[in-house]
Amino acid sequence: QSVLTQPPSVSGAPGQRVTISCTGSSSNVGARYDVHWYQQLPGTAPKLLIFGNNNRPSGVPDRFSGSKSGTSASLAVSGLQAEDEADYYCQSYDISLSGWVFGGGTKLTVL
Amino acid sequence: QVQLVQSGAEVKRPGASVKVSCKASGYTFTSYGINWVRQAPGQGLEWMGWISAYNGNTNYAQKLQGRVTMTTDTSSSTAYMELGSLRSDDTAVYYCARDHHYWGQGTLVTVSS
Repeated sequence: QSVLTQPPSVSGAPGQRVTISCTGSSSNVGARYDVHWYQQLPGTAPKLLIFGNNNRPSGVPDRFSGSKSGTSASLAVSGLQAEDEADYYCQSYDISLSGWVFGGGTKLTVL
Repeated sequence: QVQLVQSGAEVKRPGASVKVSCKASGYTFTSYGINWVRQAPGQGLEWMGWISAYNGNTNYAQKLQGRVTMTTDTSSSTAYMELGSLRSDDTAVYYCARDHHYWGQGTLVTVSS
């Protein structure tokens, strides 16, 4: 069982907007530790999508955006494209565990 | 540019140990720590621990305490993760990561009799 909670799956049609939630607790997200999001395509290493709650690395389309409030964070993907179909993970730091914690991952399906 | 290059795939018997390397380049090795993360087939990401490349301090995930050892060789800018008493459920892709931005390509470790 993952420390951060994500829905197992989300789906949307091309062009639509979907959001993926990430719920933590007072020892990680709620303790003001940043949330980061990764996209993982089959057989590849996770790719950083959003860092520091709402910042995009160079090269990541602005269709991807992140937000954080209290003990939760969200990743929004707008203008869905077939290439967005992948697994998405949230990650933060936990003061009790003194280390990284991850969500269980969300599979995004583009219908 | 920052790169983390990991060693190749391994096949091990149950009870054996495996040592995975992660060679860093493109930055001052001792200025950052290295995290190790693993992913079992079809499963999510699991943080294994962290080592400071500056002074060798470590912090291991409680679940792996006693079985995992992380070390660094500053002369070659390489980090190592050794996992002992391997079991079938240790079969996974093992990643090193400097921080959120930079990850290695992954090393598949298969534990099978």
